[in-house]
Amino acid sequence: GAVVSQHPSRVICKSGTSVKIECRSLDFQATTMFWYRQFPKQSLMLMATSNEGSKATYEQGVEKDKFLINHASLTLSTLTVTSAHPEDSSFYICSARNTGERAEAFFGQGTRLTVV
Amino acid sequence: GEDVEQSLFLSVREGDSSVINCTYTDSSSTYLYWYKQEPGAGLQLLTYIFSNMDMKQDQRLTVLLNKKDKHLSLRIADTQTGDSAIYFCAERARGSTLGRLYFGRGTQLTVWP
Repeated sequence: GAVVSQHPSRVICKSGTSVKIECRSLDFQATTMFWYRQFPKQSLMLMATSNEGSKATYEQGVEKDKFLINHASLTLSTLTVTSAHPEDSSFYICSARNTGERAEAFFGQGTRLTVV
Repeated sequence: GEDVEQSLFLSVREGDSSVINCTYTDSSSTYLYWYKQEPGAGLQLLTYIFSNMDMKQDQRLTVLLNKKDKHLSLRIADTQTGDSAIYFCAERARGSTLGRLYFGRGTQLTVWP
């Protein structure tokens, strides 16, 4: 299957700082990227959907000023957690897919964010 | 929104078959997926089935779809300890223009040696 690379895999930051997470599609053009948050022993919660060159569409309850998403190219999307707080600590996973009805979504390896 | 339900836990002995079940509510689902997540890792696409199919087999994996009952299952033959992981069922609705997926909570499969 296609490869989606997410970086970093783990990050620890201080409260009040910002953290950027990158999601890259390595061997295909990712027209659409999804950002998920996963709490321990729970399912994936979709945070936002982004199309290349457009503003991201955020799910209800997700603060767009808190979680900045940029999808400036067909191979890269970034999620920036601004002014991070301990409650933002979580596992963040991106997913990417190409256009087309049959296109599968491929996932990055996830980023474990710990805010101290 | 769409609901996808899975049982949370399944334990089997090595060498036995595992069957993970999933139910969904959206009758317009186009594709249904099974993903595997190992600890601390992202999701790995195992297999998917189009809604006009009843069954799909891929080596040790067999997916059965009962569209009338909105029931999906994943059977893993000859389960190995390396199969221990969380398995997520996901559906993609017909109206989902961007390919958004709706996930179940995941089934923790534990394989005992």
